[in-house]
Amino acid sequence: DAGVTQSPTHLIKTRGQQVTLRCSPKSGHDTVSWYQQALGQGPQFIFQYYEEEERQRGNFPDRFSGHQFPNYSSELNVNALLLGDSALYLCASSPLTANTEAFFGQGTRLTVV
Amino acid sequence: AQRVTQPEKLLSVFKGAPVELKCNYSYSGSPELFWYVQYSRQRLQLLLRHISRESIKGFTADLNKGETSFHLKKPFAQEEDSAMYYCALSGLGYGNDMRFGAGTRLTVKP
Repeated sequence: DAGVTQSPTHLIKTRGQQVTLRCSPKSGHDTVSWYQQALGQGPQFIFQYYEEEERQRGNFPDRFSGHQFPNYSSELNVNALLLGDSALYLCASSPLTANTEAFFGQGTRLTVV
Repeated sequence: AQRVTQPEKLLSVFKGAPVELKCNYSYSGSPELFWYVQYSRQRLQLLLRHISRESIKGFTADLNKGETSFHLKKPFAQEEDSAMYYCALSGLGYGNDMRFGAGTRLTVKP
């Protein structure tokens, strides 16, 4: 099992563009969450997907949207990129149970210029 | 509102010394609390969770609901403990919806 895999590893976009980041969860996991980690900060919860629906959402504008596919993989889309969207984007997968361990990917480093 | 505060961004101790990484939280219900660790060039990984009351790599953490704290402790620090430590809270009981603190970088000097 390769664990949680994210692609691409690095990305440079221009302000105003749109970006799509991808995540494949750990085998057996049906829940995927996305986090944004700015430099020097802890990860910030963006949203969580289960059964192809957004279950919870953090304090992020609707420029941030996502999708989960029947195979549990997920995409994070960000529209109208701002310079402040530059960050490491982390995907984490888990089963949908209480007190469960979340397994994190290595992240996608997004730079907006 | 859910909030996690780690007051120390940097913490440095000598090998063999005790270490305590502080974490305070704000949440109106009964949260689940975790400590995650990130070693150099590795991905974020779970260290321990309060519900398990376990000791991992010599670390323990006790949930103090009165003080709303979940401090991480180890009696004798090792050089391999040097890493970034994040305290995290899950409010709705599904683990993978965490609010993280800003993290504490622990350096254990020889």
